[in-house]
Amino acid sequence: EAGVVQSPRYKIIEKKQPVAFWCNPISGHNTLYWYLQNLGQGPELLIRYENEEAVDDSQLPKDRFSAERLKGVDSTLKIQPAELGDSAVYLCASSSPWGEHRGEQFFGPGTRLTVL
Amino acid sequence: KQEVTQIPAALSVPEGENLVLNCSFTDSAIYNLQWFRQDPGKGLTSLLLIQSSQREQTSGRLNASLDKSSGRSTLYIAASQPGDSATYLCAVNLDNFNKFYFGSGTKLNVKP
Repeated sequence: EAGVVQSPRYKIIEKKQPVAFWCNPISGHNTLYWYLQNLGQGPELLIRYENEEAVDDSQLPKDRFSAERLKGVDSTLKIQPAELGDSAVYLCASSSPWGEHRGEQFFGPGTRLTVL
Repeated sequence: KQEVTQIPAALSVPEGENLVLNCSFTDSAIYNLQWFRQDPGKGLTSLLLIQSSQREQTSGRLNASLDKSSGRSTLYIAASQPGDSATYLCAVNLDNFNKFYFGSGTKLNVKP
């Protein structure tokens, strides 16, 4: 079974430019998470979806960040405009409330963003 | 807010040694706790998930324990190998809100 897929793996942009990240969760996982990870730190939640509904976006900087999961499957996270401080790794994860691995998060490889 | 602390921040051991990584949390009303490993430049790999009703979980050379009353979990690695070198993170899920709080991790180096 395929794991969580993210693209691109790396992105270098100039400040003030827009950028978008894409995530495809494990098939059947209704919960999707976007995290930000700075060097030497644990991931911090940006937004969590239950199916197509954003149920926790309290840590998402809404002035420049947006996200969508229109059909409750794949998701896109956008930053516009990017700032130098947005340089980090953006991680996507998914989980399911059912089955042998209920509640267990599975992560994608992440997108490393560098803002110049 | 749940605070999750992992001590030590870094650990270096010779190959073959048994070792314990620690994770402490401030709010005992947890739903589950998950241990991950992260290799440089990679995403997180799930190692073990402990539900709040469980005391421990085992997978191969790994054993994770959970003591909710004291706000602690430990990850025991038996007979460590150089391939175990990575950063180990714990994440606490508060009360089935699917909101995970992560520690900053313990960076493990196993020397040949």
